[in-house]
Amino acid sequence: DIVMTQSPLSSPVTLGQPASISCRSSQSLVHSDGNTYLSWLQQRPGQPPRLLIYQISTRFSGVPERFSGSGAGTDFTLKISRVEAEDVGVYYCTQATQFPWTFGQGTRVEIK
Amino acid sequence: QVQLVESGGGVVQPGGSLRLSCAASGFGFSGHGMHWVRQAPGTGLEWVAYISWDGSAREYAGSVKGRFTISRDNSRSTVYLQMSSLRTEDTAIYYCVKEVSSGWTLDFWGQGNLVTVSS
Repeated sequence: DIVMTQSPLSSPVTLGQPASISCRSSQSLVHSDGNTYLSWLQQRPGQPPRLLIYQISTRFSGVPERFSGSGAGTDFTLKISRVEAEDVGVYYCTQATQFPWTFGQGTRVEIK
Repeated sequence: QVQLVESGGGVVQPGGSLRLSCAASGFGFSGHGMHWVRQAPGTGLEWVAYISWDGSAREYAGSVKGRFTISRDNSRSTVYLQMSSLRTEDTAIYYCVKEVSSGWTLDFWGQGNLVTVSS
C-alpha cells in the first residue's frame, strides 16, 4: 500500500498569514496514464470532508483562489495564501493512483 | 444539487451484520464510480471500497476484504455496503462518496452514517 505522510500534524496560524502543508508518498503517484491522482480535502469541525484540489493543482469548483497545490512524483504541498477563520479544520492529502486508495494522517489548522 | 444520503447504521454486536445504503440524487448516478470511506471516532480517513459505474469492477481495503461487499442498483440510484463478521474496530462514521465521471477523484461526500460495533 502507498503510505501518505503529512507534516506538520498541527499548524497554528495567525489570521491573514500563510499556511503550508506537506504530503509525501512512499512511492511515485504518477499513474500509467501519465496523470498524478493526488488530491487535498478539507474537513471542517462536524462536517464531512470536502474536495479542495485534485490532480496536484486543480482547484475544485467553488474553492477560493487562496488555496493552491503543487508538487510532483512523491512530494506535494498545499498552501493557503492568507488564512481566514473559515479555514479552521483538518486537511488530508489522498492518492488515487493505486488501490487501495490511501490518506495522510491529517493536518489540523487552527487560529493562534 | 448533488445529494448522497446514507442510512442503515446503528449499533450491532461483534460478529453481526449490517447493510448500509446510500441514495444518490442530483447527478447522473449510473455514470459514476462510487466509494465508501470510513472515519473512526476522532481519527483520520480510511478508504473502504469502490464499485465502478456498471458494477463490473470492485475493490476493497485489506481490512474488510472477505467481510464487506459493495453493490449498486442504478435503477434506484443507490449504492450499498453489506457488512458481516463485524469487529469492534469497524466502529466508524461511514461516508458514501461520489467519484468524478473521469475517475480517480472523490468529489462529493455524504454526511455519513455511524456504525457502532459493541457488546
